[in-house]
Amino acid sequence: EVHLVQSGAEVKKPGESLKISCKGSGYNFVDYWIGWVRQMPGKGLEWMGIMYPADSDIRYSPSFQGQVTMSADKSNNTAYLQWGSLKASDTAIYYCARRFLGGVGTDVFDIWGQGTLVTVSS
Amino acid sequence: DIQMTQSPSSLSASVGDRVTITCQASQDISNSLNWYQQKPGKAPKLLIYDASNLETGVPSRFSGSGSGTYFTFTISGLQSEDIATYYCQQCDDLPFTFGQGTKLEIK
Repeated sequence: EVHLVQSGAEVKKPGESLKISCKGSGYNFVDYWIGWVRQMPGKGLEWMGIMYPADSDIRYSPSFQGQVTMSADKSNNTAYLQWGSLKASDTAIYYCARRFLGGVGTDVFDIWGQGTLVTVSS
Repeated sequence: DIQMTQSPSSLSASVGDRVTITCQASQDISNSLNWYQQKPGKAPKLLIYDASNLETGVPSRFSGSGSGTYFTFTISGLQSEDIATYYCQQCDDLPFTFGQGTKLEIK
C-alpha cells in the first residue's frame, strides 16, 4: 500500500531553522513528484511547490520562492521542506503529497501525508 | 497565477439534499480541474480529476462538470459523512492554485 508519512509536530521560536520530512513507501519514490501544501490555522490550502526526486527538479510557487527549500534523499525515500529563519507567520500545517501524472493531462495529488503542524512562537 | 474562485464559501444542507458548488477560473484551463475533500483534522482527499472523472473508490453521489473557466461539483443525496470543506484546484499552469474552499455543514 502506498503511504506518505510525515515527521511530527514542531514548536520553534522566531529566527530558528527547521527541516520537516515526508517518507514514501509502497511505490518507486524517485518516479513521482512530491508536492507541499500549506494550511494556515483556519484557512485554505496553498500550493507551495513540487520536487522531482529523480533529478531534484523543483518548481516553487512565486509566493514561496526564497522562503522555503525543498529537497530529497533518494536513498531514504524521503522528501524535506526546510526553513532557514522561521517567522510567526510560518505557523501552519504542512502537507506533502504525491503528484500523479496520467496519460491525457491528468495531474493530481493522489496520496497525501498526514500533515506536520509547525508552531512558531516566542 | 491563475485565480480560482469558489462559491459559496459555506453552505448548510439537509441529508438527502442535492448540493452544488461552483468554481470559476480567471482564465481558460480547459478541463484541468480537480476537486478535493478535507474532513476536519484530516488531510485532503482527491475526489474528482479532469473536471468530471471520479477517483477510484469515491461514491457515485459525487460528480463534477465544466470546462474552460466554469466548473461545478455536485453531491446528489447528501450524507452526514460528507461534512467537510471542498476545494477545487487548477492543474493547467504552475503554480497549481486552489480555490478558497467551501465548508459544507449539515442542517
